Amino acid sequence: AQSVTQPDIHITVSEGASLELRCNYSYGATPYLFWYVQSPGQGLQLLLKYFSGDTLVQGIKGFEAEFKRSQSSFNLRKPSVHWSDAAEYFCAVGPHDYKLSFGAGTTVTVRA
Amino acid sequence: EAQVTQNPRYLITVTGKKLTVTCSQNMNHEYMSWYRQDPGLGLRQIYYSMNVEVTDKGDVPEGYKVSRKEKRNFPLILESPSPNQTSLYFCASSHDEGSYNEQFFGPGTRLTVL
Repeated sequence: AQSVTQPDIHITVSEGASLELRCNYSYGATPYLFWYVQSPGQGLQLLLKYFSGDTLVQGIKGFEAEFKRSQSSFNLRKPSVHWSDAAEYFCAVGPHDYKLSFGAGTTVTVRA
Repeated sequence: EAQVTQNPRYLITVTGKKLTVTCSQNMNHEYMSWYRQDPGLGLRQIYYSMNVEVTDKGDVPEGYKVSRKEKRNFPLILESPSPNQTSLYFCASSHDEGSYNEQFFGPGTRLTVL
């Protein structure tokens, strides 16, 4: 079975500082990995995805993520956080029986 | 505008009173799915559908039913809701098999069962 762990429940970061969100997955084959963002009161929006190829993936809103097979990780980063980045972030892994498995999420608070 | 819509957005009901949450997409997507979101648990898949008349259970299907009679619609039915089904529900859709492609999510339905 596949699973995703997001070790950090809540992260607080100052505006302009860098951000890194951790994601570890468990999957027997080559994973398909995703990061989604959920702004308050909104649905989920895809930030980026990794299927194969270059292990450093660029996404929308200035985010990037790096796939490290040896560490079973897919951490999300942003060099300089904006107040609008305050949201909940979900890492997801698939496929397994056409299912996508989500982590529990990391809430990001941005302080001025 | 390409979108997934859900109705209602908010619903308060009582135990045992049947309800339906509708989901509709205008992107001609084959794959549709229902998730519930609970604090500390992330999103868990309830049911999914690969195409019209093709549905299958996700990780937490107990107490829910779905149907896919038309490509654009995928309603979620709670025949006898219970308080443990109080949650935030999301419908999503994507082309082909959902796990390979970006899933587009609706705005969510917050359900409270008293």
